[in-house]
Amino acid sequence: EAGVAQSPRYKIIEKRQSVAFWCNPISGHATLYWYQQILGQGPKLLIQFQNNGVVDDSQLPKDRFSAERLKGVDSTLKIQPAKLEDSAVYLCASSLEGGPMGTQYFGPGTRLLVL
Amino acid sequence: SQQGEEDPQALSIQEGENATMNCSYKTSINNLQWYRQNSGRGLVHLILIRSNEREKHSGRLRVTLDTSKKSSSLLITASRAADTASYFCATGSGAGSYQLTFGKGTKLSVIP
Repeated sequence: EAGVAQSPRYKIIEKRQSVAFWCNPISGHATLYWYQQILGQGPKLLIQFQNNGVVDDSQLPKDRFSAERLKGVDSTLKIQPAKLEDSAVYLCASSLEGGPMGTQYFGPGTRLLVL
Repeated sequence: SQQGEEDPQALSIQEGENATMNCSYKTSINNLQWYRQNSGRGLVHLILIRSNEREKHSGRLRVTLDTSKKSSSLLITASRAADTASYFCATGSGAGSYQLTFGKGTKLSVIP
């Protein structure tokens, strides 16, 4: 079974530029998550999708971050404009169902450096 | 905000020894999960323990949960160099909008 795919793996941009990350979840997984992991910390949930609908985006900085999951499969996360403090690893995860017992499967992450 | 807090922040042991990591949390939970993250990689799910369970085993892993103390521990027995990684506890709560909240992790180094 193929895992969660993410691209690119690394990205370096200057502040105020825009950047987009892509995630392809495990086939058949209805729930998709985007996390931000700052160096030395645990992942922090940014947004959760159930199929193509947003379940929770309460921790997404909506003035600069946006995410979509068209057709309930792939997802993109965009930052526009980027700030220095956005430097982090962005992790995508998926689960078969979004309920309490749903194990989340993580992709390798995209490491973003904002200069 | 991060609910789970792992302790210690870093742990260094010799291969073959046991490693114990602790996690404390603040609010009520549905379950608690442990994940491993190798350097530069994504997280891998290790084990899930439900709020009505007290202990669970999986291979060399043993997890305990004490809901009265809001704490959990992860024991890795007979550690190997390949166990070198960061270990995170994640507490699960909610129902309709179920979320995992991760701690800051324990960085384990197993010396060959």
